Amino acid sequence: SAVISQKPSRDICQRGTSLTIQCQVDSQVTMMFWYRQQPGQSLTLIATANQGSEATYESGFVIDKFPISRPNLTFSTLTVSNMSPEDSSIYLCSVAESGEYNSPLHFGNGTRLTVT
Amino acid sequence: GIQVEQSPPDLILQEGANSTLRCNFSDSVNNLQWFHQNPWGQLINLFYIPSGTKQNGRLSATTVATERYSLLYISSSQTTDSGVYFCAVLSGATNKLIFGTGTLLAVQP
Repeated sequence: SAVISQKPSRDICQRGTSLTIQCQVDSQVTMMFWYRQQPGQSLTLIATANQGSEATYESGFVIDKFPISRPNLTFSTLTVSNMSPEDSSIYLCSVAESGEYNSPLHFGNGTRLTVT
Repeated sequence: GIQVEQSPPDLILQEGANSTLRCNFSDSVNNLQWFHQNPWGQLINLFYIPSGTKQNGRLSATTVATERYSLLYISSSQTTDSGVYFCAVLSGATNKLIFGTGTLLAVQP
C-alpha cells in the first residue's frame, strides 16, 4: 500500500492562528480524504480533496474554516483557520488504495493539534 | 444516515486471552473495513471484508452483510494489541466511509 507522510506530527497553537497540515503520498492517488478525530471520539470525514478542483466538504465543515489544496496527485494540505480550543483534535489524511471508494483506506500518522 | 455501533465499548484482557469485537450497521453497505488505532494514534487497516471470512495471523474477521454485522476475533492477545478498534462501512447511498463508535481494548501483561 501507499506510504503516506503527514506533517507536522503534533503542534500546540494559540487561539486565533492558523495551521497548515501537509500530506505527501509516495504514489499517485485519485482519492484523498481528510478526517478529524476529536478527543475520545471516532473519525469524522471533513472533505474529499479533489485534484484540480475545489474540495468536497461534508456537512458541518466549510471551506473558510478548513481550506484544502490538492495541487497534484501526490500532495494535499489542510489548513485549520482561526483556531479555537474546540479545534483540538487529531487530523488525518487518507487515501483509497485502488482509487475507488470501494477499496481499502490507508491513513497517514496524523497531526495531533492542541489549541490553547 | 447509516448508524454503525460497536460493542463492547471497552474491554480489558489478560495477555493470552481471546476476544470477539462486534460491529452492527443499520443499512446495506458496499464494504466494511476494520482498523486498529494504537496508543500513539496511528491507524492501521486490518481487514477489507465486505463479506465472508478472512484471517491474518492471530486476527480474523467475518462479515455477514445480509444480517448487517461483522465480527473481529483476536486470539492469544498481546500487549501490542492494545488500542482502539474501529469498523467502518461504505454507505451505498452516499459512497462515504462511516466509522463506528470504536472498542477500546487494553491487554494487560
